This record gives sequence, C-alpha cells and structure tokens, in this order.
Amino acid sequence: KAGVTQTPRYLIKTRGQQVTLSCSPISGHRSVSWYQQTPGQGLQFLFEYFSETQRNKGNFPGRFSGRQFSNSRSEMNVSTLELGDSALYLCASSEDRGNTGELFFGEGSRLTVL
Amino acid sequence: GDSVTQMEGPVTLSEEAFLTINCTYTATGYPSLFWYVQYPGEGLQLLLKATKADDKGSNKGFEATYRKETTSFHLEKGSVQVSDSAVYFCALIRRSGANSKLTFGKGITLSVRP
Repeated sequence: KAGVTQTPRYLIKTRGQQVTLSCSPISGHRSVSWYQQTPGQGLQFLFEYFSETQRNKGNFPGRFSGRQFSNSRSEMNVSTLELGDSALYLCASSEDRGNTGELFFGEGSRLTVL
Repeated sequence: GDSVTQMEGPVTLSEEAFLTINCTYTATGYPSLFWYVQYPGEGLQLLLKATKADDKGSNKGFEATYRKETTSFHLEKGSVQVSDSAVYFCALIRRSGANSKLTFGKGITLSVRP
C-alpha cells in the first residue's frame, strides 16, 4: 500500500505570493489533516477534512485554507505569504475509526518564503 | 485546553545507554496517548500508544506507561542505538468528539553517538 504522498517536496516563494500544496492519502483513508511544523512552535494543527467537509480547524488566519476532493485527495492554500509562513507542512491521513489518533504522515512540503 | 509538555532538549547519548524522555499532559476526560517519531528527512511515524490508565505501549524496544495519577507518559528504552537518532513527539487525543485532532508536544531531538 502506498503511503501518504505530498507534492511538491520543496518550494520557494516570495512575500505576497500564494501557494498550493497537495496531499494524496493512503488508499481507503477518508480523513486528511494538515499540520504546520516550525522550530519555534513545533507541530500546530491547521485543519482536518473528512468526506470533502472541513471537520475541525486550528487557530490560523483565513489566509490558510484547504479542501478535499471526492477521491479524498486534499489541497491546502496559503495566500498573501508572509516570512513567518516558512515551515514544513505535513499532511496526515487516517481511516477515521473511532477517533483513534493513529495518523499516517507524509514527508511534508517544505516552504521557504523570501 | 489540551496540552502536552515535553522535557527540554536536545538529548545526546552514547550507544547502549538508557533513555528516558519525559512527557506530561493536561486534558479533560480520558485521552489516548501517543509517541510519534520523526527520522531525518521523513514525516512522523507512530511509535507506540496507550488508550487507558496503566496501559503500557511498546514497540522497537521502546516503552511508555499511561500514568493517570501523575498525568504522564514517559518514553523509555533500555539500550539505544545510533538508528534511534530522531525527533520524538508526545501527543494526545481526546476520545470524545468527532475529530482526529492530535495535540503534540514540542518534540525533543535525540542524538545517539557510536
């Protein structure tokens, strides 16, 4: 079974631009979550999607958005990029059986904002 | 709100040394507890878990016991190897509610020297 796939793995943007990151979950997994990882703040929850609906959202500004498609693939978008958005963005999928907390993570998309 | 506190790092040990990484939590109800590990250049992987008080999770020689009286879930290994060098995250999820939001600690970097 293929793991969680995230694209692109690395990208460089400048302030004010926008970026879209993609995540393909493990086959059969219907829940997709996104996390931001930075050295200072650690892992912070962005949002979670299940069956194309946002089910949970973290404390991030509206510049951060996401969506999930009918095949469970998910994208997240960050508009009007700021220097502080530089981070590793991790996607995780789960079978969503009773809130187990067992997430399967991708390798992440490393975003650098200049 | 829920929170997880990990001991400050980084930690450097010699091969075959004993490892303890402290983790305490604050949460309402009865959370499930996890240790995730992130090897260099990779996403997070579930290392072990415990779902109720006094449960012991174990995997790859690592162990952690769910201590409700001290709200702790310390990670231990009797003899570390160079291949254990990674970042370790303690996490919790509350079993109530229909979401899969894990709350993570800040993580601690473990380096094992030959």
